[in-house]
Amino acid sequence: EVQLVESGGGLVQPGRSLRLSCAASGFTFDDSAMHWVRQAPGKGLEWVSGISWRSDNIVYADSVKGRFTISRDNAKNSLYLQMNSLRAEDTAFYYCAKDRAVTPQFQFDHWGQGSLVTVSS
Amino acid sequence: DIQMTQSPSSLSASVGDRVTITCRASQSINVYLNWYQQKPGKAPNLLIYIVSNLQSGVPSRFSGSGSGTDFTLTISSLQPEDFATYYCQQTYRTPPTFGQGTKVEIK
Repeated sequence: EVQLVESGGGLVQPGRSLRLSCAASGFTFDDSAMHWVRQAPGKGLEWVSGISWRSDNIVYADSVKGRFTISRDNAKNSLYLQMNSLRAEDTAFYYCAKDRAVTPQFQFDHWGQGSLVTVSS
Repeated sequence: DIQMTQSPSSLSASVGDRVTITCRASQSINVYLNWYQQKPGKAPNLLIYIVSNLQSGVPSRFSGSGSGTDFTLTISSLQPEDFATYYCQQTYRTPPTFGQGTKVEIK
């Protein structure tokens, strides 16, 4: 059974940093591109970033480009999102999502349970 | 970015009803259209990819159609577990973008 478990969320002040992690199991991690998708409370879905299986194809939404960095460690079956210069508008549930392909095709066939990031003073 | 517009934003229906949700793209997206279901407090779940391909484990009462700019998700006979919010998503151009969602409620 595919499992994706996010961690690292919490309350952070504007301008500060936070690092999210996603532990994957139940599938061959380096056979899949991976993504972060966020959802502000009560709002719709917004794709944040994606990374190919060997980290040679990385893409970001304009809203986070230059502030967020996605990475993965295939030996640890883990995905990460380093979030710097956080803003109030980054407040959201952050979901780790598995792609159906090895390079980003943006078909998210499995999702984690989400990790809430709240940016507030 | 490509804008995705769903209609209606919400609907009320009864168990057994046939339900249709429409998604329109701001430009042609060929067949690069997916549908997700999200229940309250849960992560989204992929239902259909590339317009009409059912994800593994998804009941056959769900179906999708369309091409270009206009797409449809149909639930042939609504079941109690289908009350949820549905999102369309285009993957034709980066960034992938979602519709605003359609909430299906119990009448």
